[in-house]
Amino acid sequence: SAVISQKPSRDICQRGTSLTIQCQVDSQVTMMFWYRQQPGQSLTLIATANQGSEATYESGFVIDKFPISRPNLTFSTLTVSNMSPEDSSIYLCSVRAPGDEQFFGPGTRLTVL
Amino acid sequence: GESVGLHLPTLSVQEGDNSIINCAYSNSASDYFIWYKQESGKGPQFIIDIRSNMDKRQGQRVTVLLNKTVKHLSLQIAATQPGDSAVYFCAENIREYGNKLVFGAGTILRVKS
Repeated sequence: SAVISQKPSRDICQRGTSLTIQCQVDSQVTMMFWYRQQPGQSLTLIATANQGSEATYESGFVIDKFPISRPNLTFSTLTVSNMSPEDSSIYLCSVRAPGDEQFFGPGTRLTVL
Repeated sequence: GESVGLHLPTLSVQEGDNSIINCAYSNSASDYFIWYKQESGKGPQFIIDIRSNMDKRQGQRVTVLLNKTVKHLSLQIAATQPGDSAVYFCAENIREYGNKLVFGAGTILRVKS
């Protein structure tokens, strides 16, 4: 399985500011995803991070709010922009292996005050 | 760490008993399914998967059953241990939606010693 790391592991931010979350994988992967997990909830897909092109966003998520970069096959960033308390969540990076297994990073726990 | 799954259904079992966690999935075209375990403060951990051309798959102490007729998935854990206490999520891969993994609501498993 792929080893996925995320930075930061947690942060407390003021409303109106932005936070960039980094995701690093120990092997090259084609498909990389970003999920959000709100308190007490399941996981919701934000977007698919495409290498060399713009991310593909799910309904309800927009690039201006959640810009994503994917400069190569082992790294991606997700920015949460102009944060409000409603953005307080766990943000999870995920990758898909060639056999379709999908693995998750440890998550970034964001609290917005 | 924080408590994940405050609003999720809970299954309480005695240590040593078998656990059965159920999941109803949404899309009859889903072709691949994964069960995840999420402990407090951690990202989801891959447990076992099953493809739609199978109805049963066994791992170490875990078995996944798939009933495509009623769109139902279950995870059986044999001889449940305190370390099995976590939130369990099923996820379905919807290939027609661009090969995306969609998560179920989740179930809290509490193991009583």
